[in-house]
Amino acid sequence: GAGVSQSPSNKVTEKGKDVELRCDPISGHTALYWYRQSLGQGLEFLIYFQGNSAPDKSGLPSDRFSAERTGGSVSTLTIQRTQQEDSAVYLCASSVQGAGELFFGEGSRLTVL
Amino acid sequence: GDSVTQMEGPVTLSEEAFLTINCTYTATGYPSLFWYVQYPGEGLQLLLKATKADDKGSNKGFEATYRKETTSFHLEKGSVQVSDSAVYFCALSVWDTGRRALTFGSGTRLQVQP
Repeated sequence: GAGVSQSPSNKVTEKGKDVELRCDPISGHTALYWYRQSLGQGLEFLIYFQGNSAPDKSGLPSDRFSAERTGGSVSTLTIQRTQQEDSAVYLCASSVQGAGELFFGEGSRLTVL
Repeated sequence: GDSVTQMEGPVTLSEEAFLTINCTYTATGYPSLFWYVQYPGEGLQLLLKATKADDKGSNKGFEATYRKETTSFHLEKGSVQVSDSAVYFCALSVWDTGRRALTFGSGTRLQVQP
């Protein structure tokens, strides 16, 4: 597609379950970002991938969170043993290296019961 | 660390009113500054940007000027429309720190009434 695609758009899960969120960036974009947007809060940086470089994981809130990017394209954000405080909208964005403008997907809304 | 502070919302205005949304920042390097907008049910999209001091970014009637002396990047529009109702995010990036991610403010919701 022409834009950043995320799936699922909505996910409801029970506390303690693992979830995977997927991001398909814009073709040709070498940089990929994950952010979290909690209700009434700003965007919290989680992780950044740039080409074949080691990812910047400095924003991951705990070791229950991990992400990978296969083949320099699709990325998966995994949350293990989900907690209620993990409920949020998880946003993925991509960009051309060094361009400054991020293109965002519509997000995956996660609800942990 | 880097941070962005925005005025709290919601901001409620009548159509054709003048809009200002304040944004100030702190940064360890020399940042580029951005305004993103999130319309209801849509993803964030870049509204405008400025990459050096005194630059003015503009788009869709919105403007913001990069003020290094006051570390500010206030968003303005002379006459708002109902279609401008959205959440506006101020953001910065500091390329020379090696980190390429944007740091965002908490967002300001704008509601324009007819």
